[in-house]
Amino acid sequence: DTAVSQTPKYLVTQMGNDKSIKCEQNLGHDTMYWYKQDSKKFLKIMFSYNNKELIINETVPNRFSPKSPDKAHLNLHINSLELGDSAVYFCASGRSDLFSYNEQFFGPGTRLTVL
Amino acid sequence: SQELEQSPQSLIVQEGKNLTINCTSSKTLYGLYWYKQKYGEGLIFLMMLQKGGEEKSHEKITAKLDEKKQQSSLHITASQPSHAGIYLCGADFNAGNNRKLIWGLGTSLAVNP
Repeated sequence: DTAVSQTPKYLVTQMGNDKSIKCEQNLGHDTMYWYKQDSKKFLKIMFSYNNKELIINETVPNRFSPKSPDKAHLNLHINSLELGDSAVYFCASGRSDLFSYNEQFFGPGTRLTVL
Repeated sequence: SQELEQSPQSLIVQEGKNLTINCTSSKTLYGLYWYKQKYGEGLIFLMMLQKGGEEKSHEKITAKLDEKKQQSSLHITASQPSHAGIYLCGADFNAGNNRKLIWGLGTSLAVNP
């Protein structure tokens, strides 16, 4: 019954490696997001997809590449991981039509640790 | 500077006490969202305010949006250990499609039994 799910929950890897995080939502929403929450708990949007199209890209390094195979899935691939990429990454989904509420539903997060 | 300021940054209260968290915007809000994050978990939606002067309650949590739609407060009455966590406000500044939420830095709340 999980609305927004992410895998894996924890990811520990070496610098320079490439890794992916997967996200799926079963809420029928048309918009999905990736957020990064740093050690100071600051939540910052990275990307947003609406119906498989990239609509928000918040000055994220090219090493981060989101992919949306369909509107229920949004994956995040990270190349050449760096120490500063260590954070909790949250996936979220929501509706984004005109004048609708912008309530977003969050996944449980993926804690990425780069050694 | 932050578009959305939250205060206080952290709060420790004794169980049973009331508390207030504030969220102030540098510009007029289209919508203001309050979320709670339990340590190590995702964000859970609490409530959303859109109209100036609006007030909503959920159990012992009440949120208000001022008339100018630039400040919101979250008030917890008779706090309990289950209220502990990080409270984040998220702001919606536009009414169009493909909007994004701008987030405050969060308020970390601890409730001592």
